[in-house]
Amino acid sequence: AQSVTQLDSHVSVSEGTPVLLRCNYSSSYSPSLFWYVQHPNKGLQLLLKYTSAATLVKGINGFEAEFKKSETSFHLTKPSAHMSDAAEYFCVVSPFRGTASKLTFGTGTRLQVTL
Amino acid sequence: KAGVTQTPRYLIKTRGQQVTLSCSPISGHRSVSWYQQTPGQGLQFLFEYFSETQRNKGNFPGRFSGRQFSNSRSEMNVSTLELGDSALYLCASSFGGAHASGANVLTFGAGSRLTVL
Repeated sequence: AQSVTQLDSHVSVSEGTPVLLRCNYSSSYSPSLFWYVQHPNKGLQLLLKYTSAATLVKGINGFEAEFKKSETSFHLTKPSAHMSDAAEYFCVVSPFRGTASKLTFGTGTRLQVTL
Repeated sequence: KAGVTQTPRYLIKTRGQQVTLSCSPISGHRSVSWYQQTPGQGLQFLFEYFSETQRNKGNFPGRFSGRQFSNSRSEMNVSTLELGDSALYLCASSFGGAHASGANVLTFGAGSRLTVL
C-alpha cells in the first residue's frame, strides 16, 4: 500500500525568496517519487523524479527535492521564486517500476508568488 | 519531438449526450493512461492501455470506456453524460510496459475540458 500527503494546500512566497513545498509519503516497498507542476488550464509537467539513485534530485527550472527515507519525506525546494512559478504542484508516489495505474497523486499545493 | 496531443481542448455537452476524447501519445510511447481531474476529487485514474490492451481500469462506471489503436493513439468515450462528469480529462503516455524502466514516468497532454450542462 502507498499514500502521499502534501502538507500545505496553499503556499504564498514573495518573488526572490525560497520555496518549500512539503510532501510525506508511505510505501510498503521502495518507491519512485515525482513532483509535477500544473499551470492554469494546462496538463501536468514533470519537474523531477527520484528512482533510487541519488537522494538529492535536481529538476527543471531550478527546483530540487531530497529523498529522506528516515523521515519519509520528499520536499520540493527552490532557492529563489519567480513569478512564473505560480502554479499547482503535485507530489506523486509509485512502486519502483510501477505503471500508471499504480501512481498515487497528492492533493496538490497551490503556490502563489507575490511581488 | 511532439508532445502528447489531446483533442478537443474544450467542449460543452448536455446531460444524456455522449462524448469522445482523443489522445495521441509521444512517438514511440506505447502506454497511454487517462485521468479525470476535478476540484473536489483531484486526479483520479480512469484506465491504462498498452499495445491495444486495457491493462488496468479505475473505479468508474461502465459509461466510461476507452480503446487504443495500433498506432498507440487512444480514445475515451463517456456515454449518457451527467453533470458530475464535468472535469478536465488528462491523457498521459509513457515508454515502457509493465515493470519496465520508465513505465511510471508520465508525459501529460494539456487536457480536454468537458462541461456538461
